[in-house]
Amino acid sequence: EVQLVQSGAEVKKPGESLSISCKGSGYSFTSYWIGWVRQMPGKGLEWMGIIYPGDSDTRYSPSFQGQVTISAAKSISTAYLQWSSLRASDTAMYYCVRRVTGTDYWGQGTLVTVSS
Amino acid sequence: QPVLTQSSSASASLGSSVKLTCTLSSGHSSYIIAWHRQQPGKAPQYLMNLEGSGGYNKGSGVPDRFSGSSSGADRYLTISNLQSEDEADYYCETWDSNTHVVFGGGTKLTVL
Repeated sequence: EVQLVQSGAEVKKPGESLSISCKGSGYSFTSYWIGWVRQMPGKGLEWMGIIYPGDSDTRYSPSFQGQVTISAAKSISTAYLQWSSLRASDTAMYYCVRRVTGTDYWGQGTLVTVSS
Repeated sequence: QPVLTQSSSASASLGSSVKLTCTLSSGHSSYIIAWHRQQPGKAPQYLMNLEGSGGYNKGSGVPDRFSGSSSGADRYLTISNLQSEDEADYYCETWDSNTHVVFGGGTKLTVL
């Protein structure tokens, strides 16, 4: 069974750094792209970027380029989404997804709250 | 880059059928899309991929009540025998490549 299991909810202050994770199982982690999607409170889905764990090829949506860093550790089948300096506007639910032809599996989501 | 347009809301009665629409922007009418359902308070769930020909492939465990069809730039999701658990937000997704992925604004489906 394919599963994407994300790390737990986080509460941070503005300016702090953060890394959230997404562990894949039930399939060959290095053979599928892993993407990240943001959902701000009460809003729709926004594409952030994607990584191919097999060779770490990483692509970003122009809206998120320079704002976040996507990485992967293929030895532990885990992808990461990182911020170096959080803002209040980063408060949102973040989902990892697996992509082949389109998105076919979603993680359960990680809620990130940034508040002073 | 393609743009997807969805109606903001729809409603239908329990046990009836509903057809949701996702429209591709000009010049992108041949694109494949994916449909996803997001029940309240839950993560989205993949429903199906849908081609311009109308052919579709559903995700594992997706009930037979869900089907897809296409006409020109329009992609449809039909839900038959509506159940209470179908009350959710429905999003369509398309892509130019793994870099350029876009979602529609979502349709909020109310089951009366």
